[in-house]
Amino acid sequence: TQLLEQSPQFLSIQEGENLTVYCNSSSVFSSLQWYRQEPGEGPVLLVTVVTGGEVKKLKRLTFQFGDARKDSSLHITAAQPGDTGLYLCAERFGGDDMRFGAGTRLTVKP
Amino acid sequence: DAGVIQSPRHEVTEMGQEVTLRCKPISGHNSLFWYRQTMMRGLELLIYFNNNVPIDDSGMPEDRFSAKMPNASFSTLKIQPSEPRDSAVYFCASSFSGGGYTFGSGTRLTVV
Repeated sequence: TQLLEQSPQFLSIQEGENLTVYCNSSSVFSSLQWYRQEPGEGPVLLVTVVTGGEVKKLKRLTFQFGDARKDSSLHITAAQPGDTGLYLCAERFGGDDMRFGAGTRLTVKP
Repeated sequence: DAGVIQSPRHEVTEMGQEVTLRCKPISGHNSLFWYRQTMMRGLELLIYFNNNVPIDDSGMPEDRFSAKMPNASFSTLKIQPSEPRDSAVYFCASSFSGGGYTFGSGTRLTVV
């Protein structure tokens, strides 16, 4: 069974700082998705990466897929309090179902 | 579209009682997923349906859990009898042909 490992588990920073969170696997991802979950709500899809080496940008968020498709990172520039939440990576496991990592819980203090 | 709609948002019940959670997926989506989220175990897939047919229920904890999808616009997750260890947030999500998931807002279940 492929395991998704996310790091760090918790991250608390000041507004305006940059940060990077990671998602790693013991084997090759077919594709990878990043979600953000705010308290009291369900996860919301941010991006899907498919191709090794792929980089996608979503405003201040930059997503990178490793060349070997075994790791991915999410970089946030100039973090804002609105970025606070649980960041989850997820991999398509077999058919349509996805397996999620444990997440990185980010707190951005004003 | 109103998104994935789950009900109730909160449920508090006594141990031994039957609990039914409901989900209305996004119209046109052909896959539906039930997840459970706890601090200890994160998001766990319980079961998923494709075109209303259960495909993988290996994540269902035990026989006390059952799920149905009688039509494309409705699914239920039932726990009978409920136990305190079932306390968690239960999410329903839907997708179309392998695309990204759209999650509902979840049902927070507390079994006392």
